[in-house]
Amino acid sequence: EPEVTQTPSHQVTQMGQEVILRCVPISNHLYFYWYRQILGQKVEFLVSFYNNEISEKSEIFDDQFSVERPDGSNFTLKIRSTKLEDSAMYFCASSAGRIEAFFGQGTRLTVV
Amino acid sequence: AQKITQTQPGMFVQEKEAVTLDCTYDTSDPSYGLFWYKQPSSGEMIFLIYQGSYDQQNATEGRYSLNFQKARKSANLVISASQLGDSAMYFCAMREGRAGGGNKLTFGTGTQLKVEL
Repeated sequence: EPEVTQTPSHQVTQMGQEVILRCVPISNHLYFYWYRQILGQKVEFLVSFYNNEISEKSEIFDDQFSVERPDGSNFTLKIRSTKLEDSAMYFCASSAGRIEAFFGQGTRLTVV
Repeated sequence: AQKITQTQPGMFVQEKEAVTLDCTYDTSDPSYGLFWYKQPSSGEMIFLIYQGSYDQQNATEGRYSLNFQKARKSANLVISASQLGDSAMYFCAMREGRAGGGNKLTFGTGTQLKVEL
């Protein structure tokens, strides 16, 4: 069964460093998303991406964040200068635009 | 106002019993979808069940069913014959707008379910 794949599963980074979280969505899907979940809290929407551009973003998704689809398969989330409060689980999801979005297994980002 | 409310932070159920996890929602959009996801301790988000706002019948998927009461704006998840492997965090989520538009999901705060012997 096709699945959304995220790498790495866990990333530790120093405050102020740039991180890139990678995702390979399901191949025939059209819509891509990033969500984050701070430990013990609910899942929050960050950004959606369609047709090679951002279709919607939340107030969390400020200038420190960017997304890119550098080739036909990968979908990346970059955080330019990480802060302690960026520590969270980051989920990539993709959708064919029908019903559910399929989530990846998540990348746990720890900023120290 | 919260778009998705899950009022049960934690629930216990005995193995083989049924359990209902509550979810209420708030939207003025006539087209919406309601989802339940399971998050085990390993962290991944597993899709369980979906109910569209225009669906006449309650959704069912194996041991999962969704008790959709549109007038009350509730979408409770019923798990029948609970198993130890059902112990996890359960999230209710809503998509506003029609299916196919790629709209985001808004999640509730989750219910931690523990299945006991």
